[in-house]
Amino acid sequence: QVQLQESGPGLVKPSETLSLTCTVSGGSVTSGNDYWNWIRQPPGKGLEWIGFIYYSGYTNYNPSLESRVTISVDTSKNQFSLKLSSVTAADTAVYYCARENNGVGFDIWGQGTMVTVSS
Amino acid sequence: DIQMTQSPSSLSASVGDRVTITCQASQDISNYINWYQQKPGKAPKLLIYDTSNLETGVPSRFSGSGSGTDFTFTISSLQPEDVATYYCQQFDNLPRTFGQGTRLEIK
Repeated sequence: QVQLQESGPGLVKPSETLSLTCTVSGGSVTSGNDYWNWIRQPPGKGLEWIGFIYYSGYTNYNPSLESRVTISVDTSKNQFSLKLSSVTAADTAVYYCARENNGVGFDIWGQGTMVTVSS
Repeated sequence: DIQMTQSPSSLSASVGDRVTITCQASQDISNYINWYQQKPGKAPKLLIYDTSNLETGVPSRFSGSGSGTDFTFTISSLQPEDVATYYCQQFDNLPRTFGQGTRLEIK
């Protein structure tokens, strides 16, 4: 059974870069059917899709964040990562990694990690 | 971007009631819509994919229908454990987008 686990700092200073990693267990990031996503949720608000990566390295990002986002994959570690640069308080959120299976739905999610942007 | 407009934004119903949530897409998305349940402090859970297909293990009281721009999510008989926020999400196009959520409470 595939499981996802986010990791990374819970506190980031304004203007710095947020970095998170999602570790995949019970499955492989090189699965040809899967896209590996980052989704975030500000406190008390709805869900925002950040972007995805395919194991080949193909990425797609939300245009609202595209200039600041990089998603990468490390197949040797079975992980994928998120970098979000020049963060502000508006980037404070719970960040989830999630699998999109066969391009249909986000069927597996990590537990989420809270990231606060504050000096 | 495709906008997904959910209604109502909140809903209070009694145990055993039939509950309906609607989602309207800003353009035709065929049947490319999913529905998620999120309980407080937890990650969202996929309930229904591709408009009407129940994810494995999801109770049959949950259902979905619709096509084009108008979609419906239904709980046939509300149970106490269904208290949650529900989201629709389109996968017809990139970027993936979600509705704003419907908070469901028990009367």
